[in-house]
Amino acid sequence: SQQGEEDPQALSIQEGENATMNCSYKTSINNLQWYRQNSGRGLVHLILIRSNEREKHSGRLRVTLDTSKKSSSLLITASRAADTASYFCAILITGGFKTIFGAGTRLFVKA
Amino acid sequence: EAGVAQSPRYKIIEKRQSVAFWCNPISGHATLYWYQQILGQGPKLLIQFQNNGVVDDSQLPKDRFSAERLKGVDSTLKIQPAKLEDSAVYLCASSLRKGGTGIMNTEAFFGQGTRLTVV
Repeated sequence: SQQGEEDPQALSIQEGENATMNCSYKTSINNLQWYRQNSGRGLVHLILIRSNEREKHSGRLRVTLDTSKKSSSLLITASRAADTASYFCAILITGGFKTIFGAGTRLFVKA
Repeated sequence: EAGVAQSPRYKIIEKRQSVAFWCNPISGHATLYWYQQILGQGPKLLIQFQNNGVVDDSQLPKDRFSAERLKGVDSTLKIQPAKLEDSAVYLCASSLRKGGTGIMNTEAFFGQGTRLTVV
């Protein structure tokens, strides 16, 4: 399969803790994106990291990309109850046009 | 800036009936996507338009699903006839995307989706 695969499938943490989610893929990519989806709503773009980048930050989010291992991680620091959502990685395959989503990690942050 | 608009938000139909969804992307966005998201799964791309041309429809069940994007702006997705397994949320998204040697801006903006229940 060309899609990204997130790990773990589900994660439950206490408010204030850090949450780490991983994404692995099998093909060469142009970029990798992370999205958040709150229950019953559309997806919201969080961050995009290009294949020639290794790390990006946005607020409490830190994304790393290791193209040699074909993997990425999303770190949410100092989590809040409002971070409870599903998180998806999506890959744009090199030379391709479509962005393919993984199955997602369901994060639950307990207050 | 207005976001991606979709309608209706919810739809319940009986199997073998037909249904249509509408999407109005963000103004100026050349690329429009229709995704199907079954409960508990990630979005699956059904069809992708670049302006009014189809870029990818490899996962669109063409015997029952059809989509069009007339004039390269809004789009409709139709299912005829519907099956029970079509129950899902149908998400429309758009992105700016510059072609040629321009920067490929693929950040996608999603609508709220249409939740379809086939009974």
